[in-house]
Amino acid sequence: GQQLNQSPQSMFIQEGEDVSMNCTSSSIFNTWLWYKQDPGEGPVLLIALYKAGELTSNGRLTAQFGITRKDSFLNISASIPSDVGIYFCAGRENSGGSNYKLTFGKGTLLTVNP
Amino acid sequence: DAMVIQNPRYQVTQFGKPVTLSCSQTLNHNVMYWYQQKSSQAPKLLFHYYDKDFNNEADTPDNFQSRRPNTSFCFLDIRSPGLGDAAMYLCATSRVLGGAEAFFGQGTRLTVV
Repeated sequence: GQQLNQSPQSMFIQEGEDVSMNCTSSSIFNTWLWYKQDPGEGPVLLIALYKAGELTSNGRLTAQFGITRKDSFLNISASIPSDVGIYFCAGRENSGGSNYKLTFGKGTLLTVNP
Repeated sequence: DAMVIQNPRYQVTQFGKPVTLSCSQTLNHNVMYWYQQKSSQAPKLLFHYYDKDFNNEADTPDNFQSRRPNTSFCFLDIRSPGLGDAAMYLCATSRVLGGAEAFFGQGTRLTVV
């Protein structure tokens, strides 16, 4: 099946630092989504991207939909302790007919040291 | 108010005993997804519905079945749970046209004893 390569796998940073993570795919997506998941909870949507080249912000978070439609990145500026968690990228493709797969990257575990 | 609701939050079942997990949504979304997530791993898509059209992933075991009786509800049936089926099960919904944000429920943590 479709593979999403998300990197880095984990990050350890100091409070106040900026963070960047990205996802690449082998095929074209028509939507890129970024989620944060806390332990024992479902993923919570952070940012949704629909057009190639689109750059969208949500507070300290900024994400971009790559021009080739095969990649996306997420930046977090001025990190704070509550940013700790696992960040997932997800891409949605229309594989034809009624098939709207939503595929996830493997996640980036973010640890923020106060 | 929660828009995608999964019940129960925690489920303990015996090895081999059929179990059903439920998901309901108030968003009137066309697409509903079921994912399996094991510890420290990405959610793995099991199947999804576009309205009544069922789309099964090729590597989803036959042990997993799903039903969508109407737009609002979707069920995950595990016919004979094994120890390896212990996981978090996540339900999500999205529209087809326009914005395609997928919203998740809080998940059901399944334990098999």
